Order: sequence, then C-alpha cells, then structure tokens
Amino acid sequence: DQQVKQNSPSLSVQEGRISILNCDYTNSMFDYFLWYKKYPAEGPTFLISISSIKDKNEDGRFTVFLNKSAKHLSLHIVPSQPGDSAVYFCAARSLYGDTPLVFGKGTRLSVIA
Amino acid sequence: KAGVTQTPRYLIKTRGQQVTLSCSPISGHRSVSWYQQTPGQGLQFLFEYFSETQRNKGNFPGRFSGRQFSNSRSEMNVSTLELGDSALYLCASSLYRAGTETQYFGPGTRLLVL
Repeated sequence: DQQVKQNSPSLSVQEGRISILNCDYTNSMFDYFLWYKKYPAEGPTFLISISSIKDKNEDGRFTVFLNKSAKHLSLHIVPSQPGDSAVYFCAARSLYGDTPLVFGKGTRLSVIA
Repeated sequence: KAGVTQTPRYLIKTRGQQVTLSCSPISGHRSVSWYQQTPGQGLQFLFEYFSETQRNKGNFPGRFSGRQFSNSRSEMNVSTLELGDSALYLCASSLYRAGTETQYFGPGTRLLVL
C-alpha cells in the first residue's frame, strides 16, 4: 500500500524551462510534506517543505504547491538548470499522529542544456 | 559543522552473515533515523531513535535492529542476511524529533549480499 506516489519515474526538461514534479498521497492524516533531491553516491538533500495549513511555499527557484482536496503536491523549478538533474523524492508525515516520514519512489529529472 | 557520517561506505557480505552499520549524527543532533533504499522501492523507513529511545519502527522483520548511544551515535544491525537485504542504508539526523525538523542525510552504506 503506497501512501506516497510519484507516478513519473523520469522527466526531461530543457534548460531555462519550468520543471514540474508531481506527488500524490492517500493518507489524509499527512500534514507535513517535504521534497528531497538526491545525487548518485550522496544522501538525499532537503529542498523545501510545506505544512498543510499552507497551499504554497517558495524558496528561490523552488516552489511547492499543495492541493489538500486532491491530495496532491507539486514541486516547480524555474528556471531549470543542468545542476538540477537528480532524483527528487517527495515525503510526507503526520506530525499530529507522530508517524515517520513516508517517501515516494522518486522522479529522475534530467535538465538538458 | 561536520555532516552526518556513516561507516563503512561499502560492504559485501554473504547470506546468513550479520552486519552492523554505524551512523554519527551532526553534533548536537539527538534524533537519528534509518532508511533502506532499493531500486524501485524508494526510501523505506526502518526506525527512529531520539535520546537513546526507539520512537518509531517501520515494517521490517525482527532481523533488523538498532540502538542509539548516549552521544547520539547510532548503529543498526541486520542478522541472518538475505539477498534482498542488498540496498543503500541511509541515516539521517535532526536536532529534535525527526518529523519536526529538517533531516540531514549521510552518504549511506551500500550493502551487497551475495
């Protein structure tokens, strides 16, 4: 039973364009969502998070949107750069229910120069 | 500040053996979580320790165990290794409880079971 789903295993985007990575979740108790980026041979690096009391959080080129009714969140990267090429993981948890982080399977983003 | 360190970085074992992996969190961090990453399965939560107490445990068999020491360093142990245990094992640390703080990941220990 996959509670966090990233349905696109890979995505290719031209440099300078927008990258949109999507994530769906099934557990309505989740109230805290994070995105991590992972390069080969390194551990995941935290990118950006959003609490369920918000519907948008922005940090530089990265924006996360949360649609609670659709149980959907997305990460927008604008403009995309070749250094953004990595695997992106969506994660969620219930702070109230004190559950551990649940990760999606990741989306491999390739930004083409 | 030094990051999260994990030792060893690479390990080859055979079926039936046991293995112990070590994680040193960022100085001052009291929460340590362990994850298993396999191709196609993403990161799966193993357990979380906070101040030497196991606070959460994932859905893994009892062959997987862990502990945390008074200096916040943590070890995980896998007994009676199976081929399916081959994976990247990641450790993450945070200052407070894992869900309320940004988790910082180590580079991982890549375990190969033959």
